[in-house]
Amino acid sequence: GENVEQHPSTLSVQEGDSAVIKCTYSDSASNYFPWYKQELGKRPQLIIDIRSNVGEKKDQRIAVTLNKTAKHFSLHITETQPEDSAVYFCAADRGRRALTFGSGTRLQVQP
Amino acid sequence: DAGVIQSPRHEVTEMGQEVTLRCKPISGHNSLFWYRQTMMRGLELLIYFNNNVPIDDSGMPEDRFSAKMPNASFSTLKIQPSEPRDSAVYFCASSRAANTEAFFGQGTRLTVV
Repeated sequence: GENVEQHPSTLSVQEGDSAVIKCTYSDSASNYFPWYKQELGKRPQLIIDIRSNVGEKKDQRIAVTLNKTAKHFSLHITETQPEDSAVYFCAADRGRRALTFGSGTRLQVQP
Repeated sequence: DAGVIQSPRHEVTEMGQEVTLRCKPISGHNSLFWYRQTMMRGLELLIYFNNNVPIDDSGMPEDRFSAKMPNASFSTLKIQPSEPRDSAVYFCASSRAANTEAFFGQGTRLTVV
């Protein structure tokens, strides 16, 4: 089945700096790659997603890049703010299967 | 829409007891997922239903776990008998299709003592 690896497990940045989280996946049939944000004690919520026919997607301070050849995708957050502090999960599907999630990255933005 | 609704929000039970978690997906969503979240194992897929039919249950830990989806608006996850290692947050999620945005419920925090 699909295996999704996520790095780093924790990330601490200063407010205003950029943060980058990287994921790799194993199944070349995967074509949908969402990113979820989970605040403490709350449910995961989608922040951005990308499909395999697109190399990059941006939404304000958040961007995701995908390299299908290398089977990796990354989340970029610019101008980080304290409210960006949370756990971020990447995920991948395999065709029309359920999402497999990475292990999560705890992002701490220091004011 | 009220989103995905799970009940109960918290459950504390004694080892050996039966536990039933409930989920109401978003109307019109064809796919339903049960995930378990722990610090050690992260978000694990337990089972995936499409149009009320179980498609992938390879994540169900063992025979003590069972899930049903009798209709498009209701699903249950049952643990019998429960064990302390089952303590976790159980999320139900639904989506229009497997490879589209999954909307999560608020989760059920299960504690087995």
